[in-house]
Amino acid sequence: DAKTTQPNSMESNEEEPVHLPCNHSTISGTDYIHWYRQLPSQGPEYVIHGLTSNVNNRMASLAIAEDRKSSTLILHRATLRDAAVYYCILRDGDSGAGSYQLTFGKGTKLSVIP
Amino acid sequence: EPEVTQTPSHQVTQMGQEVILRCVPISNHLYFYWYRQILGQKVEFLVSFYNNEISEKSEIFDDQFSVERPDGSNFTLKIRSTKLEDSAMYFCASSEALEAGGETQYFGPGTRLLVL
Repeated sequence: DAKTTQPNSMESNEEEPVHLPCNHSTISGTDYIHWYRQLPSQGPEYVIHGLTSNVNNRMASLAIAEDRKSSTLILHRATLRDAAVYYCILRDGDSGAGSYQLTFGKGTKLSVIP
Repeated sequence: EPEVTQTPSHQVTQMGQEVILRCVPISNHLYFYWYRQILGQKVEFLVSFYNNEISEKSEIFDDQFSVERPDGSNFTLKIRSTKLEDSAMYFCASSEALEAGGETQYFGPGTRLLVL
């Protein structure tokens, strides 16, 4: 899987938007961009994914650069419950394998200040 | 909302003992996974399982590890002879189907294993 680079940590004030960046300069044309998060003492949780176009769901938005070498996870209004480690993960959509393991990096630890 | 469950939540064992970690995946899911996370470190893939056989495994998943789906609901991870370095949080995950690069894996809350 191609490598991703994320800041180690970020801070946000409660109820403000948060933009979590991810660089993936070696992304291939078939790589999907996935975001998972891990709240303290819990298992990872899916947030959002996309291939080329920006994506929105009830949890977040994903903005993908035109050249796909970077992406940004946007939390529109951070709450205390959003304090977690956020992982940007590339998934090969053309691996031909029987299943798709997730390769987690260190992620970005987001702190939300009340 | 359906969720993946894991038992026990905590397990303490002596080095050399066998442990079995249990998971109940979401009922209509077909693909099952085990991951582990040593304290303070990254989440690491161990193994994936589909159609009653292992489809992928990592270097960590050596002969001491085995997985089984003994019935229609449970998915187990067995460690035959635990080592100190097996102490970690073990997460089970499941997914409904494979979509090219896009399927969601749903994780359980984990079992914290401590080997003394």
